[in-house]
Amino acid sequence: EPEVTQTPSHQVTQMGQEVILRCVPISNHLYFYWYRQILGQKVEFLVSFYNNEISEKSEIFDDQFSVERPDGSNFTLKIRSTKLEDSAMYFCASKVTASQETQYFGPGTRLLVL
Amino acid sequence: AQSVTQPDIHITVSEGASLELRCNYSYGATPYLFWYVQSPGQGLQLLLKYFSGDTLVQGIKGFEAEFKRSQSSFNLRKPSVHWSDAAEYFCAVGTTGANNLFFGTGTRLTVIP
Repeated sequence: EPEVTQTPSHQVTQMGQEVILRCVPISNHLYFYWYRQILGQKVEFLVSFYNNEISEKSEIFDDQFSVERPDGSNFTLKIRSTKLEDSAMYFCASKVTASQETQYFGPGTRLLVL
Repeated sequence: AQSVTQPDIHITVSEGASLELRCNYSYGATPYLFWYVQSPGQGLQLLLKYFSGDTLVQGIKGFEAEFKRSQSSFNLRKPSVHWSDAAEYFCAVGTTGANNLFFGTGTRLTVIP
């Protein structure tokens, strides 16, 4: 069964550094998402992406964050200058169409900012 | 605004016992409802979903959930819990016009022998 994959599984970085989290959505899916889960808290929506542009974003997704689909398969989340509070598990998800069909989640990238 | 409440932060059950995890949502129209499970160090796996039709839905691993509009609830049940069911369970709601999912805070399930 096709899966969403994410790399790396863990990343440790220094505060102020840039990080790029990578995701490969399921191949025939058109809608892509990033969510994050701070330790012990709920999963929170960050951004959705369709047709090479952001379709929706939360208030968490400020100017420090950006997303892109650099090629036909990868979907990346960049944090330009990481803060301590960016430490979290970041999940990528994808789904086929705009209707409320299931979002399939990747295994996540655990980011630790020191 | 839509929201999801999972009132139980942590539940402990004995292996073989029945299980019910509570989920209440707040949304003006009919929501799309999901239960995801997260095992330690793992991602979110879809257990089951409700879009329309039969209000009792069956999922993987022997789980089921019932949508009750009058109570704004979508509780997850399993008749006999296995040790491997120990995990964090998240209820989520999707809504018409919004592209993203709204998650509850999760319920951690511990299974004791």
